[in-house]
This record gives sequence, C-alpha cells and structure tokens, in this order.
Amino acid sequence: GQNIDQPTEMTATEGAIVQINCTYQTSGFNGLFWYQQHAGEAPTFLSYNVLDGLEEKGRFSSFLSRSKGYSYLLLKELQMKDSASYLCAVKDTGRRALTFGSGTRLQVQP
Amino acid sequence: ETGVTQSPTHLIKTRGQQVTLRCSSQSGHNTVSWYQQALGQGPQFIFQYYREEENGRGNFPPRFSGLQFPNYSSELNVNALELDDSALYLCASSSGTGSHYEQYFGPGTRLTVT
Repeated sequence: GQNIDQPTEMTATEGAIVQINCTYQTSGFNGLFWYQQHAGEAPTFLSYNVLDGLEEKGRFSSFLSRSKGYSYLLLKELQMKDSASYLCAVKDTGRRALTFGSGTRLQVQP
Repeated sequence: ETGVTQSPTHLIKTRGQQVTLRCSSQSGHNTVSWYQQALGQGPQFIFQYYREEENGRGNFPPRFSGLQFPNYSSELNVNALELDDSALYLCASSSGTGSHYEQYFGPGTRLTVT
C-alpha cells in the first residue's frame, strides 16, 4: 500500500519563503505530484518529479529524494493568493491513479 | 480553467437514493479518473476509465459504478446512498494512463446526503 504524510497546517508571511514537506512510502514509485487547491475549487497542477533533484517553475520549486521517500514544495515571494491547500500525490507502478496526502493548508498573513 | 466540466455543481439527496454525476473530459483526453474528497482530506481514488473500459479501482464498494462514453465523457453512479457519501466528487481527465500524463481536474460536484 501507500502512505503519504504532510503537515496539516502552516502559516507564513507575505513576501517570505515557505517549504512544505511530504514523506511517502510506496511499493513501486512512479512519480510525485504537487497540486494547489483553493477552498471550494478543484486541485490545479503545480509540479511533477520522477527523478531526484529540484524542479523549478517560477516562484514554485519541488524537490524529490527517492531514496528517502521525501519531497518538498518551496514557495518563494509569498503572495496572499497563495493561501490554499497543497496536496502531495504519488503514483506507483501498480496503480492507475494518484494517491493523495491529506493536504497542507497554508495561510499567508500580511 | 482546465476544460474539464462536471454537472451538477451541487446536489442534495436522501439516504438510500441513487445519484448520477457527469463529467466531460478535456478535448483530446481519453482517460477519466473519479475521486471522492471528504472535507479536510485529500482526494481518494474511486476508479478510472480508459477508452470506455474500467482501468483500475480503489477501495470503494460495488454500489459505486461508472461508465465512459465514446466521446470519453463519463458518469459516476452511486446506489443506496449513505450519509458518509457526502463529499466533493472530482473527475480528472488525462491523455493517457502513465505517470507523466498530467491529470486535469474538473470543478467537482458537492454531494450532500441527508
């Protein structure tokens, strides 16, 4: 089976940097995704990692270490609109769809 | 917006009733996955359809069933509704089933069972 852990809530200040961690256990890793979900809305794709290392996309970066079963999402120059839930999701070789963590609710304060 | 649409937006049903939720996938996408998202939780995989065939199923009972049509739109049917079925139901479409095929989510259907 799969097990995905991420912090429930985080708070950060506008303009700052925040790192959201995700640890996972899976029988056959085949990719890790980060999604952003604003309250009452659908998840939107942020990043995809399948190899170790850092993927950068504008203000957002995502890191993966397959040997440690660990990923993080880094958000720079935080804006108020970044207040949302951030979902870590893993795909393994034996399943057809994504397994999601419970999400980290990020509150950006002025 | 992702181009994935779902209907209805909101729905209220009574325990024991049946419900059908609909999803239109993004143009060019042949794969639809359905998820259930309870309040404060991440989405849980229900099942996936690829080219009109069920292509994988999560830990949901048989009263959760689905269809995919030739135009790749899809339906989720839930029979004998229970209170715990109250959730946001999301569909996601993709152009394949591999891990590198990004899933695009629709806005969801909020189902309330009373």
